[in-house]
Amino acid sequence: EAGVVQSPRYKIIEKKQPVAFWCNPISGHNTLYWYRQNLGQGPELLIRYENEEAVDDSQLPKDRFSAERLKGVDSTLKIQPAELGDSAVYLCASSLSWDRVDEQYFGPGTRLTVT
Amino acid sequence: EDKVVQSPLSLVVHEGDTVTLNCSYEVTNFRSLLWYKQEKKAPTFLFMLTSSGIEKKSGRLSSILDKKELSSILNITATQTGDSAIYLCAGIASGNQFYFGTGTSLTVIP
Repeated sequence: EAGVVQSPRYKIIEKKQPVAFWCNPISGHNTLYWYRQNLGQGPELLIRYENEEAVDDSQLPKDRFSAERLKGVDSTLKIQPAELGDSAVYLCASSLSWDRVDEQYFGPGTRLTVT
Repeated sequence: EDKVVQSPLSLVVHEGDTVTLNCSYEVTNFRSLLWYKQEKKAPTFLFMLTSSGIEKKSGRLSSILDKKELSSILNITATQTGDSAIYLCAGIASGNQFYFGTGTSLTVIP
């Protein structure tokens, strides 16, 4: 079974530039999560989708961050414009449903460096 | 404010040692606690704990939840170099909100 796929794996951009991350969850997983992990910190949930609906985006900085999951499968997380403090690893995870938290599988992450 | 605190922040041991990692939580409407192992890539699931006092065990790893003390421990016996990783603890609220701790970085020296 293929795991959660993320791309790109690494991205270096200058501040004020836009950037987008892509996630393909495990087939059949209805719940998709985007996390941000700063160096030396645990992951911080940015947004959670149940199918195509964003059900928890309270930690998403909405002035510059946006996300979509149009057909309830793949998802894109965008930052525009990027700031130096956005440098982090962006993790995508998926699970069968919102209550199957013990079966949440993480992707390899995208390491973003903003210069 | 909901939070999860892990200790120690880092730990260096020799192969064969036994280690205990601590996690304390303050999570409104707490539902369960998860332990993950994170090597260079993404976190991988270790345990989910929902009931107090019931030990979960997987090989050399074991974990238990104490709801009275709002804490959990993760034990690793007979450590190996492959156990070197960051161990993350997360408290889950009833609405499925995740609160991760900062992790404990474990280094096992041959």
